Amino acid sequence: DTEVTQTPKHLVMGMTNKKSLKCEQHMGHRAMYWYKQKAKKPPELMFVYSYEKLSINESVPSRFSPECPNSSLLNLHLHALQPEDSALYLCASRHRGRGSPLHFGNGTRLTVT
Amino acid sequence: KQEVTQIPAALSVPEGENLVLNCSFTDSAIYNLQWFRQDPGKGLTSLLLIQSSQREQTSGRLNASLDKSSGRSTLYIAASQPGDSATYLCAVMRRETSGSRLTFGEGTQLTVNP
Repeated sequence: DTEVTQTPKHLVMGMTNKKSLKCEQHMGHRAMYWYKQKAKKPPELMFVYSYEKLSINESVPSRFSPECPNSSLLNLHLHALQPEDSALYLCASRHRGRGSPLHFGNGTRLTVT
Repeated sequence: KQEVTQIPAALSVPEGENLVLNCSFTDSAIYNLQWFRQDPGKGLTSLLLIQSSQREQTSGRLNASLDKSSGRSTLYIAASQPGDSATYLCAVMRRETSGSRLTFGEGTQLTVNP
């Protein structure tokens, strides 16, 4: 079982829909991440939050909107997505410090129709 | 820009064999290096983390080494089992003023045959 919980596990949405992905961790981690992973490819960094503030945005299109309401929660709001946005979206978190590993959730499998 | 390369891309071995997965990176100014395992359709499981000042880490049948100056790491798996079949990803973390950034290699897909 992973200590980073992502919901929903699967999501199918149309291009005009608005939906949100949720991520939760109770390990006291203050750095939280969103990654996008296409089939047979490594994860690609999208956003990094540090102490609930957005610290890295990897030039992600504005149809993806992250939110960190508190130190345990991370959301990714989706609007007007394209079929090519279909992917596995992974959330991760870690403590600060060079000895702290990144902990991943099991992801949300998103299909845009 | 940091680039991470993993060799081989795929590996198929009989059960019980010892094996080595390779990872190389272009920028030696790293914070740490992590090896992950990913099963199909699942998230990533952290296997080992080596800090930039360390040379190796061990966990059970796994041993990871780091040679920062040459930009190389290896993951050694002893006495492989069918349950080890998965994709193994190497990732290097770099600390920047904006935050810590993890860059992944393309992965090695391992199949251990019974």
